Amino acid sequence: DGGITQSPKYLFRKEGQNVTLSCEQNLNHDAMYWYRQDPGQGLRLIYYSQIVNDFQKGDIAEGYSVSREKKESFPLTVTSAQKNPTAFYLCATRFGEHEQYFGPGTRLTVT
Amino acid sequence: RKEVEQDPGPFNVPEGATVAFNCTYSNSASQSFFWYRQDCRKEPKLLMSVYSSGNEDGRFTAQLNRASQYISLLIRDSKLSDSATYLCVVNNRAGTALIFGKGTTLSVSS
Repeated sequence: DGGITQSPKYLFRKEGQNVTLSCEQNLNHDAMYWYRQDPGQGLRLIYYSQIVNDFQKGDIAEGYSVSREKKESFPLTVTSAQKNPTAFYLCATRFGEHEQYFGPGTRLTVT
Repeated sequence: RKEVEQDPGPFNVPEGATVAFNCTYSNSASQSFFWYRQDCRKEPKLLMSVYSSGNEDGRFTAQLNRASQYISLLIRDSKLSDSATYLCVVNNRAGTALIFGKGTTLSVSS
């Protein structure tokens, strides 16, 4: 079954804890992206990676970190430095200059 | 000027209506344009790409005006199932990622 998987669908954490969100793809796409969406808001780009072992900051990278050790995987760590981590996190992939495909997302709640 | 701006909505229309959404973008060098659809609490999904010559897919028509940096989406004969948020999307200045507008919400009622 081809596509993008994000797990878990819902994640709850206490303030001050780091948490890592998973994103895996078997589409063989080079580029992968992390977005954040807040209620009633658009998607904001956190980090992206165009090739393995390389990644770039997006518009709101502060308080987040990523790694890209394998083509299939692009995990996002939400650190305790992120002021407002509660949000809907979306991972996406892209082939060349074509459209992006999204995973189902992870809803993170930090209390 | 924001990178991608859309009509705020919401648009509330009856079934069968024709509705148009507009979007402006700031990067004159943008080469990639799309409309995505996002249902409540779901991930965005591609509705259609937007080409310079304009393109149509069934009841949906997308237009691009590069001179005015303007994109539009026309939905004819609206269905209840068209109720969703429609996102206007263009590539960023470096061409390395896509930038999403905040979306326009459409509600179609019977």
